[in-house]
Amino acid sequence: GENVEQHPSTLSVQEGDSAVIKCTYSDSASNYFPWYKQELGKRPQLIIDIRSNVGEKKDQRIAVTLNKTAKHFSLHITETQPEDSAVYFCAAESRGSQGNLIFGKGTKLSVKP
Amino acid sequence: DAGVIQSPRHEVTEMGQEVTLRCKPISGHDYLFWYRQTMMRGLELLIYFNNNVPIDDSGMPEDRFSAKMPNASFSTLKIQPSEPRDSAVYFCASSLGLAGGSGELFFGEGSRLTVL
Repeated sequence: GENVEQHPSTLSVQEGDSAVIKCTYSDSASNYFPWYKQELGKRPQLIIDIRSNVGEKKDQRIAVTLNKTAKHFSLHITETQPEDSAVYFCAAESRGSQGNLIFGKGTKLSVKP
Repeated sequence: DAGVIQSPRHEVTEMGQEVTLRCKPISGHDYLFWYRQTMMRGLELLIYFNNNVPIDDSGMPEDRFSAKMPNASFSTLKIQPSEPRDSAVYFCASSLGLAGGSGELFFGEGSRLTVL
């Protein structure tokens, strides 16, 4: 079945700097890769996703890149702000589970003012 | 729509007691998922339903865990008997479709369970 590895587990940056979170997956049949943000004590919420027919997708200060050959994808946040502080989860579609999502273990991002 | 609604938000119980967590998915969503979140293991899928039918329960840890979906607007996750290692935040989520299709997951606020 699908396995998703996420790094780093914690990340601390200064406000205004960029942050990058990386994930690898094992199932080459996976075609859908979302990212969820979970603020402290809140529910996870989708912030961006990418499908395998594109290599990069941007939405304002966040972008996601996908390398299907290497089976890894990354989240990039530019000009970080304190409100970006949260736990970020990557996920990959698990075809073996009829299209279910398998999540990485999360990255706790802290943006210091 | 009010989103996915879970209850209770917090539950503290003693080992051996029965725990029932409840979920109301977003109206019109055909898929319902139960996840467990811990520091050690992250977000783990326990079970998911399609049109009220359980599809994949391979994540249910033991026979002490059971889940039902008697109708399109209600699901329960039951733990009987509960143990301290069951302490976690349990999330219910719903979606229109599966991942890869229209599969954005909408999570509830979660139920924080503490078993003493």
